[in-house]
Amino acid sequence: LAKTTQPISMDSYEGQEVNITCSHNNIATNDYITWYQQFPSQGPRFIIQGYKTKVTNEVASLFIPADRKSSTLSLPRVSLSDTAVYYCLAYTSGTYKYIFGTGTRLKVLA
Amino acid sequence: DGGITQSPKYLFRKEGQNVTLSCEQNLNHDAMYWYRQDPGQGLRLIYYSQIVNDFQKGDIAEGYSVSREKKESFPLTVTSAQKNPTAFYLCASSITGDEQFFGPGTRLTVL
Repeated sequence: LAKTTQPISMDSYEGQEVNITCSHNNIATNDYITWYQQFPSQGPRFIIQGYKTKVTNEVASLFIPADRKSSTLSLPRVSLSDTAVYYCLAYTSGTYKYIFGTGTRLKVLA
Repeated sequence: DGGITQSPKYLFRKEGQNVTLSCEQNLNHDAMYWYRQDPGQGLRLIYYSQIVNDFQKGDIAEGYSVSREKKESFPLTVTSAQKNPTAFYLCASSITGDEQFFGPGTRLTVL
């Protein structure tokens, strides 16, 4: 299973776009990249998942370049309530095992 | 309402005692998971189960045990062999190839 590497922390201001990049050099051909959001003392919540190119939903976009060695989670116009820890993980299709890293602690400032 | 529940929310244990954390889901998911989270850290996988009556060790299974007698239930026992059990415990469920749904967590403190 591929390990992922992300920045430990980031700060941003309300209304800005935030991009969090994740490195996954040894990702397997059938791995998907998945992002979760976690607030203190709560379980993580699924944000978005993708395999290649670009995926967009109502809360975020995920960009995965052709070589798939990295990916970027984009949060448009963040608010104070987006302050949380964001986890990038590689999920291998056909298995049941997910590997969480230490995550990126995003702090949104007023 | 469909979802995943954990109980209790807070649990206190004396050293040397075994305790069991409950996890129930009514999402009809085949797979269930237990994670441990220490302050400021990410989630670490303890055990997971792909199907009833089957489960596999995760990265930190020592000192823990599980059972999967029913599809809906995946209880975790923290035994006295676990040297540092104080942590936040999260249960999750999923179907193959899809997102995990997490419970609210149980915070275990050893006195």
